[in-house]
This record gives sequence, C-alpha cells and structure tokens, in this order.
Amino acid sequence: KQEVTQIPAALSVPEGENLVLNCSFTDSAIYNLQWFRQDPGKGLTSLLLIQSSQREQTSGRLNASLDKSSGRSTLYIAASQPGDSATYLCAVYSIKAAGNKLTFGGGTRVLVKP
Amino acid sequence: DAGVIQSPRHEVTEMGQEVTLRCKPISGHDYLFWYRQTMMRGLELLIYFNNNVPIDDSGMPEDRFSAKMPNASFSTLKIQPSEPRDSAVYFCASSFRGGIAFFGQGTRLTVV
Repeated sequence: KQEVTQIPAALSVPEGENLVLNCSFTDSAIYNLQWFRQDPGKGLTSLLLIQSSQREQTSGRLNASLDKSSGRSTLYIAASQPGDSATYLCAVYSIKAAGNKLTFGGGTRVLVKP
Repeated sequence: DAGVIQSPRHEVTEMGQEVTLRCKPISGHDYLFWYRQTMMRGLELLIYFNNNVPIDDSGMPEDRFSAKMPNASFSTLKIQPSEPRDSAVYFCASSFRGGIAFFGQGTRLTVV
C-alpha cells in the first residue's frame, strides 16, 4: 500500500525567503507525482505534475524535483510572498494492474510573514 | 469546460437521514475520484472509477457509503444513514489517463 508523507506539517518563513517542501512515498512504482495548493475553505489547485521519467519540472517561481529511487520529491518556491501562504499537498499516481490510484500526503501548511 | 462541478456546496442534515452528493467530471476525463477531507485525517481516497467502472473502493469507511457512476458525466456518493462523524468536506476530482487531477470545490457536509 502506497503511503505518502510530508514533513514538516507546518512552516513559517519571512517574505523573500525560499521555501523547501518535502514529500516522500513508499512505493516507487508510480506513474507521476503532482503538487497541489489548497487555500482555506477551497478546493485543490494543481501546481506541477512530474512524470515518473522526469527529474524536475518548473513553472515560474516553482520548481519540483523527483527522485523515484529514493521515493522523494521536493517543491521549491523562490522568493516567497505572503500570497504563497496556503497548504501544499503532494500526491502520487500509483501503478496498479487495473488503473491508477492517486494518494495524497498530509500536506504542509505554509505561512509567509510580510 | 467549467471544470469539475459538485453539488450541493453545503449540506446540513440530521443524523439518520440519507445524503446524496453529486459530481460532474470534466468532459472527456476517464478517471473520477471521491475524497473526504477532515482536520484529523487529512485527504482520504474513498473510491475511484475508471471509464465508469469502480476500481478500488477500499477507502469507503462503511457499508453506509455507496458510490455510482451511471455514465461518463455523472457520479453520486450516497451516505445512508448519515452520522455526525461523517461531517467533512467531500471532494470529487477527475483526470484523463492519469494526468493532472482537477478538483471540484467540494461539498461541506454537516450532520447534526
């Protein structure tokens, strides 16, 4: 059974500092890994998707890396802003014979202080 | 496309009543997921469908929960009878061939 873990559960940084969010998973047989953002009381918004064959993916100030062999992914957010305050979740598509299953970590709650 | 559409957005019901949550996935998507989110347990996968067929319902907490997908554009999650501990936000998500998962805005269920 795939298990996804995100540490730390919460993070507070001053504005302008770079953010580093960690995600680990137990089963390396994945199809892809996705990072999401969730604002309070809202749904989830996809940020980045990394295919299992890729090592990283970039979008603006966001960069996500993937090391499938060690079961880890890291999301970097450069020059953080107060608007980056949210909960960030990673999710992995696990490969199964009858389809793919999207399993989420517990999330990291980020607060960027002005 | 308007994205994944869930209804209702909020539902307050009395314990013992039947609750039906609805989801319209993005047109053309072949995967549909139902999740439940609580402060204590985070985001839990309840069940998912591929091409309208339930693939894995191991996350469904009890027999009181059931889900159907009669066609590619509609799915329901039913709780009968509902209990206070079912109170949570229920999300529906869809994706195409295991690509980016798009989430609905969720249904906030309160069982009193």
